[in-house]
Order: sequence, then C-alpha cells, then structure tokens
Amino acid sequence: KQEVTQIPAALSVPEGENLVLNCSFTDSAIYNLQWFRQDPGKGLTSLLLIQSSQREQTSGRLNASLDKSSGRSTLYIAASQPGDSATYLCAVSGNQFYFGTGTSLTVIP
Amino acid sequence: DAGITQSPRHKVTETGTPVTLRCHQTENHRYMYWYRQDPGHGLRLIHYSYGVKDTDKGEVSDGYSVSRSKTEDFLLTLESATSSQTSVYFCAISPSGSFQETQYFGPGTRLLVL
Repeated sequence: KQEVTQIPAALSVPEGENLVLNCSFTDSAIYNLQWFRQDPGKGLTSLLLIQSSQREQTSGRLNASLDKSSGRSTLYIAASQPGDSATYLCAVSGNQFYFGTGTSLTVIP
Repeated sequence: DAGITQSPRHKVTETGTPVTLRCHQTENHRYMYWYRQDPGHGLRLIHYSYGVKDTDKGEVSDGYSVSRSKTEDFLLTLESATSSQTSVYFCAISPSGSFQETQYFGPGTRLLVL
C-alpha cells in the first residue's frame, strides 16, 4: 500500500523567505504527483501536477520537482507572502489517489 | 472554481441514525469521488463513481454506501452512523476519469456523530 509522508507537519516563516516543502512516497509506480492547497474550512485546490515522466513543473512563484526513483517531491515557494498561509498537501496517483497529511504553513508579516 | 456543492455543510447526528450527504456538480464530469479527512490520516477514498449507477469501493468503504442516479448527483449514506465516522467529508470530480488527471474538490461537509 502506498504511503505518503510530508515533513514538517507545520512550518512558520517570515514574509519574503523562500521555502521548501517535502513529500515522500513508498511506491514509485505512480501516474503523477500533485500538490494541493487547502485553506481552513475549504476544499482542496490543485496547484501543480507533475506527470511521472516529468521532473518538475512551475507556476508563478511555485516550483515542484519529482524524483520518482527516490520517492521524493519538493514544493518550492519563492518570496513567501502572508496569503500563502495554508495547508499544503501532496498526493500521488496509482490505482487511486493517496494523500499525505499535509504541511501547515504560516507566513508571518 | 469547478461547480461542486455539498450539502449539508455541517451536521450533528446521533449514533445509530442514518445520514446522507449530497454532492452536486454542474460540470457534467463522469467521475465523482467521496473522501474523508481525519487528523493524522490525510484524505482517504471511500467510494467513487465512473458513471450513472456505476460505483466502486475505495480504501475505507466499510459502513458507507453510495448511489448515483444522475450524472450531477453523488450521494454518500452512512447506514447507521458511528462515532468513528465523525470526520470532514469531501466530494471530488474529474473530467474524463482515471487517476491520471487532477480532481476538483467541493467545500466539504463537517459531520459530528455523538
């Protein structure tokens, strides 16, 4: 069974700092990996999707990388802003989606 | 935002009572999913549907049933609610199916079983 782990569980950084969120998974037989954002009391919003054949994807200040062989992904957020405060979830897809428990990010003004 | 609504958004019920949660989409997407989100577990798939009257079980399906009589509606029923089913329930949809593409999530239903 696929296991997805996200470390750290919580992270607090000052505004303007660059940061990296980590995701690891145990089974490399995946179709893709996605990063989602979840705001309190709301659903998930997809940020980036990396197909298994790709190494990275970029959207604005966000960059996600995928190393399938080592079972790792990182989400890099450049020049963090208070509006980036949220929980970030990664999910890998095989025969279903498997989600990590998320990293709760707080960006301090 | 994808047109997905869930009802009710909040519900308190008692152990042993039946509960039905509704997911409604306006996107005409084929696939619909029900997840539960619990602290320490992330989101886990309960059931999914790949068409009208076509459903299948997910990772944590025990104690839950689903029905899909119309493309736009996917119902999740707890036949006899238990305290372990206290959770936040999310519905998701995807355009043409499979787990190779992204999913769009509803706002969630917070369920408390006393």
